[in-house]
Amino acid sequence: NAGVTQTPKFQVLKTGQSMTLQCAQDMNHNSMYWYRQDPGMGLRLIYYSASEGTTDKGEVPNGYNVSRLNKREFSLRLESAAPSQTSVYFCASSEWRGGRSEQFFGPGTRLTVL
Amino acid sequence: AQTVTQSQPEMSVQEAETVTLSCTYDTSENNYYLFWYKQPPSRQMILVIRQEAYKQQNATENRFSVNFQKAAKSFSLKISDSQLGDTAMYFCAFMMTGANNLFFGTGTRLTVIP
Repeated sequence: NAGVTQTPKFQVLKTGQSMTLQCAQDMNHNSMYWYRQDPGMGLRLIYYSASEGTTDKGEVPNGYNVSRLNKREFSLRLESAAPSQTSVYFCASSEWRGGRSEQFFGPGTRLTVL
Repeated sequence: AQTVTQSQPEMSVQEAETVTLSCTYDTSENNYYLFWYKQPPSRQMILVIRQEAYKQQNATENRFSVNFQKAAKSFSLKISDSQLGDTAMYFCAFMMTGANNLFFGTGTRLTVIP
């Protein structure tokens, strides 16, 4: 039971390049999330998927796209990377059970855009 | 919009002593959840403790307890018998009941001094 996994762990891009961050969870959760964490700030929600087949914008969606490939996988794509997207990216998943919900986080991806 | 404020960017505590981290939040909702997450140098986000707003009793998990003051919109974390492994960033977070996304504070960096 690996929980939430993310690939890659580190990535360096040049301005204008594209890439996709991958996330998978093996807990059979319906909901999945992408956050970014910048220095001196808490995590901010980029996009989320409440269930397979649905996606919604979070607080900071500009410059990103997402795909909920199936119940397990939720990818984040940067079409044309910018230095402002240098950050640590976290994927998370959750489920409401018995009136309670807990988000489980992946280990993060450190992305640097030069 | 929900906002979460952590006014202590950094704190330190002697090993075996007690420390309290502060968190305030702003919401017009009556039903919600509050969380404290720990982020050690490994970057992994770990849930420390949660509090349901409808519960008057303060949550406790071993050495970790909260002081939840709903009227004051305050949610502080007390760590008793501090251990070196408690050194980490601590984030306070808010979630509305039935919602999916978390709103995070900017974090408090806690250092436990041997």
